Amino acid sequence: DQQVKQNSPSLSVQEGRISILNCDYTNSMFDYFLWYKKYPAEGPTFLISISSIKDKNEDGRFTVFLNKSAKHLSLHIVPSQPGDSAVYFCAASANFGNEKLTFGTGTRLTIIP
Amino acid sequence: AAGVIQSPRHLIKEKRETATLKCYPIPRHDTVYWYQQGPGQDPQFLISFYEKMQSDKGSIPDRFSAQQFSDYHSELNMSSLELGDSALYFCASSGRIAGENNEQFFGPGTRLTVL
Repeated sequence: DQQVKQNSPSLSVQEGRISILNCDYTNSMFDYFLWYKKYPAEGPTFLISISSIKDKNEDGRFTVFLNKSAKHLSLHIVPSQPGDSAVYFCAASANFGNEKLTFGTGTRLTIIP
Repeated sequence: AAGVIQSPRHLIKEKRETATLKCYPIPRHDTVYWYQQGPGQDPQFLISFYEKMQSDKGSIPDRFSAQQFSDYHSELNMSSLELGDSALYFCASSGRIAGENNEQFFGPGTRLTVL
């Protein structure tokens, strides 16, 4: 029962363009959502998060959008840089993030120079 | 800034042996989470501790146990190891503040290989 889904296993984007990564969830108890970037054999690195009381959060080149009614969130990276190439995991939690994370299956982003 | 420390980084064990993984959270973080990531899979929650008490339990085998000590570091003990236990084990920590969102910060992981 995959409660958090990332339907695109991979995505290739030209350097300088916008990268859009998508995530869907099914559990209505989730109220806090995070994006992590991961390189092979390393731990996930926290990128950006959003609470269910907001619909947008921005941090530099990264913006996360939340559509609660559709149970959908997306991560926008603009402009995309070669160093952004990695696997991106969407994760969700309940209780303002004070509970375990449920991860999506990840999207491998490749930035083409 | 100090990060989550995990040791060892790599561990090779034989079937039926035991293993102990250690996690040192970010200073002043009082909550520790353990996750297991198999090859090609997403991280799966195992167990968590808040203020040295178990706070939640996921799909952790009975052969595994864990605890959080007075200095907030945590250890995951794995016994009767099986081939299927080969995975990356991540520890994450957070500082639980009531009414605020708290991100989990991950350590570099321990790669366990069971032969």
